[in-house]
Amino acid sequence: QVQLVESGGGVVQPGRSLRLSCAASGFTFNNYGMHWVRQAPGKGLEWVAIIWYDGSNIKYADSVKGRFTISRDNSMNTVYLQMSSLSAEDTAVYYCAKEGAAAGSGPDTWGQGSLVTVSS
Amino acid sequence: SYELTQPPSVSVSPGQTARITCSGDALPKKYAHWYQQKSGQAPVLVIYEDSKRPSGIPERFSGSSSGTVATLTISGAQVEDESDYYCYSTDSTGNGVFGGGTKLTVL
Repeated sequence: QVQLVESGGGVVQPGRSLRLSCAASGFTFNNYGMHWVRQAPGKGLEWVAIIWYDGSNIKYADSVKGRFTISRDNSMNTVYLQMSSLSAEDTAVYYCAKEGAAAGSGPDTWGQGSLVTVSS
Repeated sequence: SYELTQPPSVSVSPGQTARITCSGDALPKKYAHWYQQKSGQAPVLVIYEDSKRPSGIPERFSGSSSGTVATLTISGAQVEDESDYYCYSTDSTGNGVFGGGTKLTVL
């Protein structure tokens, strides 16, 4: 079955950087786009970024553009989120999610999430 | 920036039909997808491409879309359906957008 396991979360000081990883299994990773979605404590879901199956197209939410970088390694079945210039507003659970079968179909399977806390 | 608008809360009695709406100007041209999120858990896809139901999702969950409004319907809502529900779609540039979420209470 599809499994997505995030790692790399933790407590980080404002202005510092952090990289999240998401290891995928149970499906042909290089056939699917991958999303990052975050959820601040007590708040709703916020879409962060998407990378196409082959890395040829990448999109970001305005709130993270220029600070976050999504990438993937299809040989390792892993997607990454490099986060820089972090602030308290970036404190959230970060989920990776697999895109559905059709482009633009949205996330269809989610990991359990990785908590990132930005605090001095 | 593009927004999807949901009611903050919906309340029904067990066995009644719950309807949750999602409004967005691009919905006539873009699919809506729906997610259920129980407290402390990751979201689960319950409806995709406006009206399709993934395997394993109970038949009481259905979706529809007309004009700028997509609707998630839970026919015969059960206590275990009490959750937060989010709609998702994309804007004209392909960026993802979630609605603000609706808390469904079944009591």
